[in-house]
Amino acid sequence: GIQVEQSPPDLILQEGANSTLRCNFSDSVNNLQWFHQNPWGQLINLFYIPSGTKQNGRLSATTVATERYSLLYISSSQTTDSGVYFCAVEGYSTLTFGKGTMLLVSP
Amino acid sequence: ETGVTQTPRHLVMGMTNKKSLKCEQHLGHNAMYWYKQSAKKPLELMFVYSLEERVENNSVPSRFSPECPNSSHLFLHLHTLQPEDSALYLCASSQESITGRGYEQYFGPGTRLTVT
Repeated sequence: GIQVEQSPPDLILQEGANSTLRCNFSDSVNNLQWFHQNPWGQLINLFYIPSGTKQNGRLSATTVATERYSLLYISSSQTTDSGVYFCAVEGYSTLTFGKGTMLLVSP
Repeated sequence: ETGVTQTPRHLVMGMTNKKSLKCEQHLGHNAMYWYKQSAKKPLELMFVYSLEERVENNSVPSRFSPECPNSSHLFLHLHTLQPEDSALYLCASSQESITGRGYEQYFGPGTRLTVT
């Protein structure tokens, strides 16, 4: 099946800093989603982005499908951004999740 | 609030108990999913229902039994579980097309299950 690798696995930031999270995948995709999992386990949809660029407030994402990667940008980070960020891709079958990037934003 | 609800939010059960997890989606979707999230592991897909028919069963032990009575409700029946089944169980839904998937999935808040 399709392989999904996320980097970095862990990230510690000072409040106000910017960061870039990366997701590499091994095959063509029909669906790519970025999620934020909060401390209570809820997966919050950030972006549905099989290709192109999208922005939502301080967050933006870019997927370059031909090169099989996606980037999630977080600008002016806040403590509420802490949590685990997952990339999930769907090739010809089901949604496959990466292992996530655990982000801690300190005040 | 994603439009997908799950009950209960927490469950502690013994290995000889029988319990059920419930998921309900209010998004008008036609596909529903069960995922398992164990500590330090990626989310694992367990079951997929499309138009109330099970279309995927990813080698899940028979002690987990799904049921999808209609397109808005999904259950996971549990019996004689093992301690290693303790995990967060997440339900999701999406709108599938006749050509396949590729549509955004929305997740419920999960049920945190502890098997003692």
